[in-house]
Parts: sequence; structure tokens; C-alpha cells
Amino acid sequence: EAGVAQSPRYKIIEKRQSVAFWCNPISGHATLYWYQQILGQGPKLLIQFQNNGVVDDSQLPKDRFSAERLKGVDSTLKIQPAKLEDSAVYLCASSLDGGTLNEQFFGPGTRLTVL
Amino acid sequence: AQSVTQPDIHITVSEGASLELRCNYSYGATPYLFWYVQSPGQGLQLLLKYFSGDTLVQGIKGFEAEFKRSQSSFNLRKPSVHWSDAAEYFCAVGDMEYGNKLVFGAGTILRVKS
Repeated sequence: EAGVAQSPRYKIIEKRQSVAFWCNPISGHATLYWYQQILGQGPKLLIQFQNNGVVDDSQLPKDRFSAERLKGVDSTLKIQPAKLEDSAVYLCASSLDGGTLNEQFFGPGTRLTVL
Repeated sequence: AQSVTQPDIHITVSEGASLELRCNYSYGATPYLFWYVQSPGQGLQLLLKYFSGDTLVQGIKGFEAEFKRSQSSFNLRKPSVHWSDAAEYFCAVGDMEYGNKLVFGAGTILRVKS
């Protein structure tokens, strides 16, 4: 079974530029998550989708971050404009549904460096 | 608010020695607790989870963890560490107010010396 796919794996941009990350979850998984992992910290949830609807985006900086999951499958996370403090690894995860009993499977992440 | 504390940023153990990684949580109700491992360049992999029942849970790769409600702890243990266990370990609590949201600790980096 294929895991969660993410691209690109690495991205370097200058501040005030825009960037987009892509995630393809495990087939059949209804729930998709984007986490931000800053160096030295644990992952922090940015947004959770159930199919193509948003369940929780309370920690998403909506003035610069946006995410979509138009067909309830793959998802994109965008930052515009980027700030230095956005340097982090962006992890995508998926689960069968949003229940706590369902394991979240994580992709390898996208490492973003903002100069 | 829910929170997880991992007091040790780094731990170094000798190969073959026993291991215990500490985790303390703050959560009002019965917690759902998890341990994940992250190897360099890899995503997070679930080692084990506690939802209810037996407070000693077994996981993959020979790991186990014990839930102690009185101490608000969920420490991870392994009787004999292998060099391949070198990685970063994260404890997390499931936030039931927001479905399956996980709140992670800051992680503990495990180094294994031969």
C-alpha cells in the first residue's frame, strides 16, 4: 500500500515570496491533516480536512496561509507571502476518518527554508 | 488547554542498555496517548497508543509504554536498545474536542553509542 506522498521534499525561497506544497493521502482516507514542525518543536496542526470540508483551521495563520482539498483527495498548502518564521517542515498526514481510534499516517514532509 | 511535556531534549544510551523516555501530559478527561518515532528525513511512525484498559501497552520494535494517571505520565521503555533506534521520539495526546487532533510534545532525540 502506497503511503502519503508529498512534494517537493525541499524548498528554499526568499521572504515575501509565495510557495505551495502538495500532498496525496493514502487511497480511501477521508481525513487529511497539515502540520507545521519548527526545528526543536513537535508538529503543530495547521488544518484538518474531512473529505473536502474543513474540520479545524484554528491554528492556521489565515492572513498568509491557505489550503484546499477540492476533490476530497489530494491537497495543497500555500504560503503567500512567506516570512522568516515560516521556515519549518510541513507534514501531511491522513487517516480513514476523523476518529481518534484511526491512526494518522504521515508523509516524509517538505522542508521549507525562508531566507 | 491540552499540553505534552517531554523533559529530556537529548538522551544518550549505550547499545544494549535499557531506555526510558519521559512524557507528561495535561488533559482534563481520559487521555488518548501516543508515541511516534521520526528518523531523519522520514515521516512520523506510530509506535504505540493508549486509549483505555491495560495501562501497559505494547508497541512495535519492542517498545512499551505505561500509563500512570496519578502521575499524568506515559513513559516509553525498551529493555535493550539497538543502534537503529537512534531517532527522535514524540509523545502526543489526542484532543477529543477537535476530532482526531494530536497535540505533540517537543520531542526527545535519542543517540545510541556503540
